[in-house]
Formats: sequence, C-alpha cells, structure tokens
Amino acid sequence: GEDVEQSLFLSVREGDSSVINCTYTDSSSTYLYWYKQEPGAGLQLLTYIFSNMDMKQDQRLTVLLNKKDKHLSLRIADTQTGDSAIYFCAERSGFNKFYFGSGTKLNVKP
Amino acid sequence: EAGVVQSPRYKIIEKKQPVAFWCNPISGHNTLYWYLQNLGQGPELLIRYENEEAVDDSQLPKDRFSAERLKGVDSTLKIQPAELGDSAVYLCASSLRTGEVYEQYFGPGTRLTVT
Repeated sequence: GEDVEQSLFLSVREGDSSVINCTYTDSSSTYLYWYKQEPGAGLQLLTYIFSNMDMKQDQRLTVLLNKKDKHLSLRIADTQTGDSAIYFCAERSGFNKFYFGSGTKLNVKP
Repeated sequence: EAGVVQSPRYKIIEKKQPVAFWCNPISGHNTLYWYLQNLGQGPELLIRYENEEAVDDSQLPKDRFSAERLKGVDSTLKIQPAELGDSAVYLCASSLRTGEVYEQYFGPGTRLTVT
C-alpha cells in the first residue's frame, strides 16, 4: 500500500499556532485529507485539498501542499484546548481508496 | 441529518467465539467502508462496497472475516472465530461522491476486546 508518514506528537500553548506535517508517497494522489479524532470517537473530516492546489484556507485551518516534495501540512491558528486530539492525514489513490497516516497527537496546554 | 451509526459500541468476547458488527451509513451514501484501527495507528481498509458490491476486499482476512451489505444500505462485518490479535476498533464509514471529491464520514466505531 501507499506510505503516509506523520510525526507522533505535537505540544503547543493555547493561542499559539499549530503546524502538523505529513508526507506521502503516491504522486498520483488526487485529493489529500485531514481528519480529527477525539477519544472514543470516529474520525471527523476537517478539510481536504485537491492535488493541483498549493493552499486552502478554511476559517482557522490552512492546508499547504508541496506536491514536488509530497509534503502536506495543516496549520491551526489560535489553537484552543478543544483542538486537543489526534490528527490524521490521508491520501486518496486510484479509485476511492484511502491511505491514512498513524496520526499526530496534538496536546494544547492552557 | 443522522451520521453513520454503529453497534455495538463495545464488545468483549473470548477467543474462538464469533462476533458481528453492524453499520448503518448516512442515507444516500453509496460507498461503505469497513476499517480496522489498531491502537496508535490510522485506519486500515478491510473492505469497500459500492452499493451492494464489494469492490475492494483485498485486505479482508477471508479465512475468518466476512461481510455483507444487503440491499446496498446496512452492512454487517463478522469474525468467526475471533483471535486475540483481532482486538481493535472497527470503524465503518460512508461517502458520497461530489464531483471528484469523496467525503468520508465515520461512525464512532466498535471497540472489540478478545480475551
């Protein structure tokens, strides 16, 4: 399968910006996604970006895509304690097949 | 609009016993996925349905796992017999294609513990 890599942990202070990084291997990926998972819950779709875009902004979320380096990032502005969760990036390869990273646990300190 | 519904939320069984999980996707979503999520890992696809057809079951351990999606709506995932290594969270998701975008929506999952 495809390889999607993420760093395991990120700790920030409330009010700071968080940047979660992801690398992927499939250059034919069409869409890349970010999901949030809170304890005991399923994954919640946050945002996605088409592979021919390099940036997408959605309220406090900014997605940056460097297709040449196969690098995706999610920036959360003004991070709040409610943003503490595990964040997964995923790539969609081929026809409707998703590959997920192992997740980055974001800890927001008050 | 109701989200993806899964039941049960938790299940504890002894090894070698059978177990079944049920999923009701979001109304109108043609695609249904079953994922396995081990602790500290991302979801891994077990099987994907387009309507009632299983179009990708390459990662489903067919010696003990089976799935069905009758009438292209609800789906059931079964394990028989369960092994200790099957302890994990089983996630169901559904998606609707909007242009080229597939937005997946996940249920809360079933946490299986095999003792």
